[in-house]
Amino acid sequence: GAVVSQHPSRVICKSGTSVKIECRSLDFQATTMFWYRQFPKQSLMLMATSNEGSKATYEQGVEKDKFLINHASLTLSTLTVTSAHPEDSSFYICSARTGPESNQPQHFGDGTRLSIL
Amino acid sequence: TQLLEQSPQFLSIQEGENLTVYCNSSSVFSSLQWYRQEPGEGPVLLVTVVTGGEVKKLKRLTFQFGDARKDSSLHITAAQPGDTGLYLCAGFAGSSNTGKLIFGQGTTLQVKP
Repeated sequence: GAVVSQHPSRVICKSGTSVKIECRSLDFQATTMFWYRQFPKQSLMLMATSNEGSKATYEQGVEKDKFLINHASLTLSTLTVTSAHPEDSSFYICSARTGPESNQPQHFGDGTRLSIL
Repeated sequence: TQLLEQSPQFLSIQEGENLTVYCNSSSVFSSLQWYRQEPGEGPVLLVTVVTGGEVKKLKRLTFQFGDARKDSSLHITAAQPGDTGLYLCAGFAGSSNTGKLIFGQGTTLQVKP
């Protein structure tokens, strides 16, 4: 069964709306979660690394004020796309790592399809 | 910046054919993973290779990690329509507690019946 739950699976909203996406680890505690963005037929692009209890680390070119990340507990990280515009439409995927070491397994959610009209 | 070059990016073959997908980098990775992703879903881990020269088999899929841990390949024997999907290689970059997965561009595979 799924070990990482992402919600919602699909969002359609008007331009200017802020959208929150949740990523939950279901049966393990995840000190580190990752947020990716994926365009059609392309690979995953890492947006940010979310660490429980501390500020997220954003990749170069990703606006931290645009994509707000909160990792308030060991099982939940949220990504908020603020004042979303059509160019923010994409497939957003989170993953959670089972331990502090980078080579420990990462489990991926099923993604959120965001469509901004 | 560590990059993973994946090739080919698109592949359309007939059922029963064999194929190989390559993942190359100029950087050394401590480990490398292969994922398969279907439309509208997240990637699913197929295998992790850690040791240079390592070969792992998963039914009709054979994964190899280069001796220098800079490249990897995925070989599928007698492809079936159910193998259709996006195949992604990903390598770990960075230190032990701050490392992150770097993904290749992906290979979209279509297997026609």
